Amino acid sequence: DAKTTQPPSMDCAEGRAANLPCNHSTISGNEYVYWYRQIHSQGPQYIIHGLKNNETNEMASLIITEDRKSSTLILPHATLRDTAVYYCIVRVNFGNEKLTFGTGTRLTIIP
Amino acid sequence: DGGITQSPKYLFRKEGQNVTLSCEQNLNHDAMYWYRQDPGQGLRLIYYSQIVNDFQKGDIAEGYSVSREKKESFPLTVTSAQKNPTAFYLCASRRDSAHYGYTFGSGTRLTVV
Repeated sequence: DAKTTQPPSMDCAEGRAANLPCNHSTISGNEYVYWYRQIHSQGPQYIIHGLKNNETNEMASLIITEDRKSSTLILPHATLRDTAVYYCIVRVNFGNEKLTFGTGTRLTIIP
Repeated sequence: DGGITQSPKYLFRKEGQNVTLSCEQNLNHDAMYWYRQDPGQGLRLIYYSQIVNDFQKGDIAEGYSVSREKKESFPLTVTSAQKNPTAFYLCASRRDSAHYGYTFGSGTRLTVV
């Protein structure tokens, strides 16, 4: 699985859009980009995933650059409940079953 | 509602005792996983199972054992051979399809004293 790089921490004002970057310069053509978040002392929660097209769901949007070497998770109107550690993961969807979590980005929403 | 149930939420055990952590899912997911998380760290894979009666070691399987006798259940036993068992343990499951993410339980915090 490709290695990802995320900033260790970020702050965002409540009500603003939170933009979380992730670099995955060694991503392979068949690897997807997944985002999860973990609120303190809970299990990680799936947010969104994509291959090469931008994706949007009820929680967030995922923007993947054309060369697929980086992506951005966008929380359009951040609330205090969005304070969590956000993990960016790249992996194939067959064969290798390992989901490798790094240390992620600790996002703090400020009132 | 469908989901994954881990029990208990908090568990205290004396050093040298084996302990079993429960994980049950009613999502009809094929694959199940156990992860360990230490403070300030990411998740590390202990064991995973893709079908009933079959499982594979993850990155840190030493000192742990699992069974998968039913599709719904994937218990993890932390044995006395595990050198540093105090950690947060997370169970996850996944539908066998490329277009689905993983569903995690709420975790069990094990403290060995």
